[in-house]
Amino acid sequence: AQSVTQLDSHVSVSEGTPVLLRCNYSSSYSPSLFWYVQHPNKGLQLLLKYTSAATLVKGINGFEAEFKKSETSFHLTKPSAHMSDAAEYFCVVSDLAGTASKLTFGTGTRLQVTL
Amino acid sequence: GAVVSQHPSWVICKSGTSVKIECRSLDFQATTMFWYRQFPKKSLMLMATSNEGSKATYEQGVEKDKFLINHASLTLSTLTVTSAHPEDSSFYICSATRRSLAVVKDEQFFGPGTRLTVL
Repeated sequence: AQSVTQLDSHVSVSEGTPVLLRCNYSSSYSPSLFWYVQHPNKGLQLLLKYTSAATLVKGINGFEAEFKKSETSFHLTKPSAHMSDAAEYFCVVSDLAGTASKLTFGTGTRLQVTL
Repeated sequence: GAVVSQHPSWVICKSGTSVKIECRSLDFQATTMFWYRQFPKKSLMLMATSNEGSKATYEQGVEKDKFLINHASLTLSTLTVTSAHPEDSSFYICSATRRSLAVVKDEQFFGPGTRLTVL
């Protein structure tokens, strides 16, 4: 069975400061890992994904994440937060079995960006 | 590309009635579509997986007679909440995987969601 744990339900940062959203995963397989962002009243948008290539993954809007197998972590970072980054962020692990993978979502981290 | 739409975006209905939610892949053919349910301030829970032309596979604890899923074409899946009750009120989100060998097979494209309120 696979699972993800997002260690913080809520993170608040000042605009222009770094962002760190933490995620640990558990998977029986070599996992694919994703970060999705959900803005209010909008659909989920893929920020970045790890699929067993480079362990440092760069995504959209300046976000990146590093896959650390030894720590079973896939933390999301951004050097400088922007007001538009305020949203809900989900860490997701994929079960690769079958023709279409099942996604398991973390409980989400709400990012608040203050002036 | 890879846009998924849902209709309606929100619906209010009376207890005991049925509600149909549509999920469409607008610019690609979707081999598989997924239906999720999201409670307030909670994560997304997978309800069922549907492949075009075959019966949906429901997750444990999801009543298949309550939540009817039809995937009649490669661009359309529907979720019907039958005899809806207030506890069915939730945010329902669909996603689709694209029929293309060039695309990572497990990338899902999400619709904007449908908010259902049952009075």
